[in-house]
Amino acid sequence: NAGVTQTPKFRILKIGQSMTLQCTQDMNHNYMYWYRQDPGMGLKLIYYSVGAGITDKGEVPNGYNVSRSTTEDFPLRLELAAPSQTSVYFCASRDAAGNTIYFGEGSWLTVV
Amino acid sequence: ELKVEQNPLFLSMQEGKNYTIYCNYSTTSDRLYWYRQDPGKSLESLFVLLSNGAVKQEGRLMASLDTKARLSTLHITAAVHDLSATYFCAVDLNSGTYKYIFGTGTRLKVLA
Repeated sequence: NAGVTQTPKFRILKIGQSMTLQCTQDMNHNYMYWYRQDPGMGLKLIYYSVGAGITDKGEVPNGYNVSRSTTEDFPLRLELAAPSQTSVYFCASRDAAGNTIYFGEGSWLTVV
Repeated sequence: ELKVEQNPLFLSMQEGKNYTIYCNYSTTSDRLYWYRQDPGKSLESLFVLLSNGAVKQEGRLMASLDTKARLSTLHITAAVHDLSATYFCAVDLNSGTYKYIFGTGTRLKVLA
């Protein structure tokens, strides 16, 4: 059972570089989310999507972009990486009933 | 702006003892989630509470929801070392946007 799959798991970026974190789910969920978790802290919502072609900002969207061209995929793009974006990024999806939110394994990103 | 606060932030307790973690939130919501996170791992779903007065129990953990008080509790009974983890509550913003905001987390350490 794949569930929510994130890649890469680990990445080191230099300041000013760009990259895309990939997220795919095989549960046909419409709702998908990107969170970041700074060391010792809770999760902050970056962006979310309620279906293909529909995205919206969360609590901390600055410095990030998303797209949702298919139900399965919800990539997160970092433009001009900054040290403040060093964090663990979690992708998640939920079913229509909202009874469970499924999380990916996380992507550890360091910007140096 | 929705705020979700947990207390305590850190909790060190002896095996066999009971304790309660509190989750307060600042706006109306009728759906609340509890998650567990082990160090370096993703989030594991524990409970989803869907209405006022909802109570759910799994092993030594019991969660409840009081939507009028905007309060959820996670009660630990006769703690064991394996319960050591960080516990998060998350609140459905209840605005039709399906945004989930996480609490600050409670880091629990159970001492043998």
